[in-house]
Amino acid sequence: AQTVTQSQPEMSVQEAETVTLSCTYDTSESDYYLFWYKQPPSRQMILVIRQEAYKQQNATENRFSVNFQKAAKSFSLKISDSQLGDAAMYFCAYRSEGGGADGLTFGKGTHLIIQP
Amino acid sequence: NAGVMQNPRHLVRRRGQEARLRCSPMKGHSHVYWYRQLPEEGLKFMVYLQKENIIDESGMPKERFSAEFPKEGPSILRIQQVVRGDSAAYFCASSPNARGETQYFGPGTRLLVL
Repeated sequence: AQTVTQSQPEMSVQEAETVTLSCTYDTSESDYYLFWYKQPPSRQMILVIRQEAYKQQNATENRFSVNFQKAAKSFSLKISDSQLGDAAMYFCAYRSEGGGADGLTFGKGTHLIIQP
Repeated sequence: NAGVMQNPRHLVRRRGQEARLRCSPMKGHSHVYWYRQLPEEGLKFMVYLQKENIIDESGMPKERFSAEFPKEGPSILRIQQVVRGDSAAYFCASSPNARGETQYFGPGTRLLVL
């Protein structure tokens, strides 16, 4: 079974600074998808970014980018120019490409605090 | 273009009662997933359904829980004889046909069992 580990229960960053959230995962599969979701106080789950394992290029979405290291099974999220609205829980998630479980496997989350 | 809809947003039940949670997927999405989030935890997969079929229920408790996604209408997650441990946020997500497609989440239903 796949597992996702987020080793930072809480992170704090000054507004406008850059922060990196870490995520590692364990799998025996070669094809899969990785996601970062944001959960603000409203508790709505919002997709931040997605990465296909077969792609070597790291995904980027505006101020959000990932550092995907397939051999190390690492998938960190970098948030540049942090804004107050970035404050939220961030969850890393894994999904098999096919033939296995169809649900997402989530980490326990990192609580991101933005200091004004 | 409406997103995933869930209702009710908040549900209070007494022990032993039944809870029914509804989920309408995004337009054009035929795959529905249910997750449960306990306090201070990440989401845990429960069940994956397509229209009129349960595809994967490996995360669903064997007793008291059931799910359906009828040909017409929303997907329903049903919890019979609720206990205090069922108190959690229940999220529904939907995706289009292909495997691996991104799952888009609804706002969740917060269930409180008294």
